[in-house]
Amino acid sequence: AQSVTQPDIHITVSEGASLELRCNYSYGATPYLFWYVQSPGQGLQLLLKYFSGDTLVQGIKGFEAEFKRSQSSFNLRKPSVHWSDAAEYFCAVASGGGADGLTFGKGTHLIIQP
Amino acid sequence: DTAVSQTPKYLVTQMGNDKSIKCEQNLGHDTMYWYKQDSKKFLKIMFSYNNKELIINETVPNRFSPKSPDKAHLNLHINSLELGDSAVYFCASSQDVSGTQYFGPGTRLLVL
Repeated sequence: AQSVTQPDIHITVSEGASLELRCNYSYGATPYLFWYVQSPGQGLQLLLKYFSGDTLVQGIKGFEAEFKRSQSSFNLRKPSVHWSDAAEYFCAVASGGGADGLTFGKGTHLIIQP
Repeated sequence: DTAVSQTPKYLVTQMGNDKSIKCEQNLGHDTMYWYKQDSKKFLKIMFSYNNKELIINETVPNRFSPKSPDKAHLNLHINSLELGDSAVYFCASSQDVSGTQYFGPGTRLLVL
C-alpha cells in the first residue's frame, strides 16, 4: 500500500528566509505526487504536481519541488517565505488511476516569524 | 465561478441525528471523492465515485452513505451521528488519470 511521510510536524521560519518541507513516499510504481496547502479554516489548494518528465516542478506562489526517485522524496522549497505562507502543507501520492484517491501525509505546520 | 462547492459550511447537530452534506462540481469531471479530516488534520479518503459508480469505500461505517444523482453531484448522508464523526469533510473531483484533485471548501461537522 502506498504511504506518505512528512517527518516535520511543525517548522518555524523567519520571514524572507528559505524553506524546505520534506516528503517521502512509498509506492511500487512511478507515483503521481502533489503538494497542497491549507490556510486556517480553508480548503486545500494545489501548489504543484509531478507526473513525469522534468524532476523539478514549479508551482504557484513561488514554490517548487524536486522529485528524487533514489530517495523516494518530493521536497517542497521556496527561496524566500512571506508571512502569508503560514499554513498547513500536505504532501500526497496517487496511484496511476485517477479514481483511487489520494494518500496524504500528516501535514507540516509552517509558522513564519517576523 | 466556484469549481467545487459544498453545503453547508458548518453543521452542528446532536448525537443520533441524521444529516446530509451536499457537493457539486462544475468542472465537468468524471470522478468525485469524499475525504475526512480529523482533529489532528489528518486527511483520509472515504469514498470515490466514477461516473456515478462507487469505486472506493475505505472501511467507512455503513452509517455513511454517498449518493451521486449525476456526475456533477456527490452527496454524503450520515445516519445516527456519533461524537467521533465530528470532523471536516472535504469533497473533491478529478478528471483524468493524473489524479489531480480539486477540493471544495470543506464542511465542519460538530456532533454534540
